[in-house]
Amino acid sequence: DAGVTQSPTHLIKTRGQQVTLRCSPKSGHDTVSWYQQALGQGPQFIFQYYEEEERQRGNFPDRFSGHQFPNYSSELNVNALLLGDSALYLCASSTGQGVYEQYFGPGTRLTVT
Amino acid sequence: AQTVTQSQPEMSVQEAETVTLSCTYDTSESNYYLFWYKQPPSRQMILVIRQEAYKQQNATENRFSVNFQKAAKSFSLKISDSQLGDTAMYFCAFMEVLYGQNFVFGPGTRLSVLP
Repeated sequence: DAGVTQSPTHLIKTRGQQVTLRCSPKSGHDTVSWYQQALGQGPQFIFQYYEEEERQRGNFPDRFSGHQFPNYSSELNVNALLLGDSALYLCASSTGQGVYEQYFGPGTRLTVT
Repeated sequence: AQTVTQSQPEMSVQEAETVTLSCTYDTSESNYYLFWYKQPPSRQMILVIRQEAYKQQNATENRFSVNFQKAAKSFSLKISDSQLGDTAMYFCAFMEVLYGQNFVFGPGTRLSVLP
């Protein structure tokens, strides 16, 4: 049983560019959450997708957007990249109902130069 | 807003010894879950243990146990018989049931197990 997978593993972008990160949830999971983890800090919640809609959103600007596909996989898009967007981006999956555990992927390390 | 505090940025313990990591949180809600996650250098977050707020009994998973003090809003993790593979960042996380499954994480404690 494959766990949560994310691609790419590493990414280097230039300020002002746009980036798309991808996540496939664990088998049987229908909810995907995205987190930003700056170096040396705990993860910060960006948003959560359930039934192809954004269900909750953390305190992140509109430059951060996402999408969930019918197969429950998800994308995180970041526009107009800033140096401060450099971080590890974690995807976590869970079921929408009744199971309060999130399974995390290995993350995508984004570096903005 | 909910906050999670971990007051020990770094800790070390000798192999086979016991160590306790501290966590406090702030919330006005009564229905919530608390978690400890481990993040090794490989960076994948792994669930260590979970505690439901409505359960009086402290959760236990093999060598890992918690001391949940609801009135004090404290949730510490005890690791017994520490092993070299326990070396990692440990994050305490809080989730309110009412608002869904977004977790609020603490800043983490870096634990080093020394041979």
